[in-house]
Amino acid sequence: DVKVTQSSRYLVKRTGEKVFLECVQDMDHENMFWYRQDPGLGLRLIYFSYDVKMKEKGDIPEGYSVSREKKERFSLILESASTNQTSMYLCASSWMAGDEQYFGPGTRLTVT
Amino acid sequence: RKEVEQDPGPFNVPEGATVAFNCTYSNSASQSFFWYRQDCRKEPKLLMSVYSSGNEDGRFTAQLNRASQYISLLIRDSKLSDSATYLCVVSRAGNTPLVFGKGTRLSVIA
Repeated sequence: DVKVTQSSRYLVKRTGEKVFLECVQDMDHENMFWYRQDPGLGLRLIYFSYDVKMKEKGDIPEGYSVSREKKERFSLILESASTNQTSMYLCASSWMAGDEQYFGPGTRLTVT
Repeated sequence: RKEVEQDPGPFNVPEGATVAFNCTYSNSASQSFFWYRQDCRKEPKLLMSVYSSGNEDGRFTAQLNRASQYISLLIRDSKLSDSATYLCVVSRAGNTPLVFGKGTRLSVIA
């Protein structure tokens, strides 16, 4: 079974803090993705990576950066957290970009 | 036209009912199609892939109509445990990420 894990289920941070969200997958998948999900807006792609040290912007990359130093790990960084980044953050992985994706349990981030 | 469109619902149906969801997509070059299920406050999970010839998995049947660019999901004999949001998912052309619909919410009522 594919397993995707995320570092925290719930996180509370203050405005202006630097926030790291980590994601690890154990299936040797090439592709990894970060989404945020908000009521009424669905899943929105922030960044994705198709190889180590490679990254591509998704639909809403502003205010975020990512790091992929190892194949199994993909980190999302909020350089200076803002209240409008309060959301559910979901990480996913897949073999190819157009293949089915496997999701982690999500991190519910609250920025106060 | 949005890349993937779904009726948001909610669909409120009694146990045992048959319910159908439709989804339309805009990119005629799309090659892969999926239905995901997402329970409240949980991550999306793959329910089934959708093949050109249509496919069935127990009470669930998925169909693809390429000419009209729509996908359907039929749930027969609905159970309380089927209550969830169902996401229609479509690939773009080339090696690019999937596109997720916003989901259709289903509530099965006793």
